[in-house]
Amino acid sequence: GAVVSQHPSRVICKSGTSVKIECRSLDFQATTMFWYRQFPKQSLMLMATSNEGSKATYEQGVEKDKFLINHASLTLSTLTVTSAHPEDSSFYICSAREAGQSLDTDTQYFGPGTRLTVL
Amino acid sequence: GDSVTQMEGPVTLSEEAFLTINCTYTATGYPSLFWYVQYPGEGLQLLLKATKADDKGSNKGFEATYRKETTSFHLEKGSVQVSDSAVYFCALIRYSSASKIIFGSGTRLSIRP
Repeated sequence: GAVVSQHPSRVICKSGTSVKIECRSLDFQATTMFWYRQFPKQSLMLMATSNEGSKATYEQGVEKDKFLINHASLTLSTLTVTSAHPEDSSFYICSAREAGQSLDTDTQYFGPGTRLTVL
Repeated sequence: GDSVTQMEGPVTLSEEAFLTINCTYTATGYPSLFWYVQYPGEGLQLLLKATKADDKGSNKGFEATYRKETTSFHLEKGSVQVSDSAVYFCALIRYSSASKIIFGSGTRLSIRP
């Protein structure tokens, strides 16, 4: 089946630094990628939807200047956490929707997640 | 707004036991319903889905039936295996230009040999 990778799988950084997380679709083209955040024992919360070649659409309450999303190609989206603080520590998961699928057969393929710890 | 509620874990069972993980939803219209599974160290995988009322999704011995009258989509398996140990997420989607998935909080399942 379709594979989505994320890099890095874990990152520890100091407060105030920026961290970039990559999400790649390895064997298919993804017109749309989604970024989720998961707190311990809680649901995956959608942060933003990114479409290749256009600006990301952010969910209510998500700071777009803090969580920068770039979807420059059909196989790569990046999430940059700028000026990270301890409250940004979380598990970040991306998913990708394969190009050409109709909405009613929507299948999203998920990456393994990136655990961010901000000291 | 739309939401999904599933039973809290962890759930611990012995091998070959019967499994039920409850899931109920709140949504306007007619969402599609899903169960995703996350094995240790891996991404979420679609386990099964149902797109309309009374549909039954099934895969790998797991089943779930879309019950509109009770707004439920409970996951069942007749005989679990150690390899079924994972976190299970119930989810819904209302297809639109946005097509956002709404997830439940996840239920961790551990199967003892």
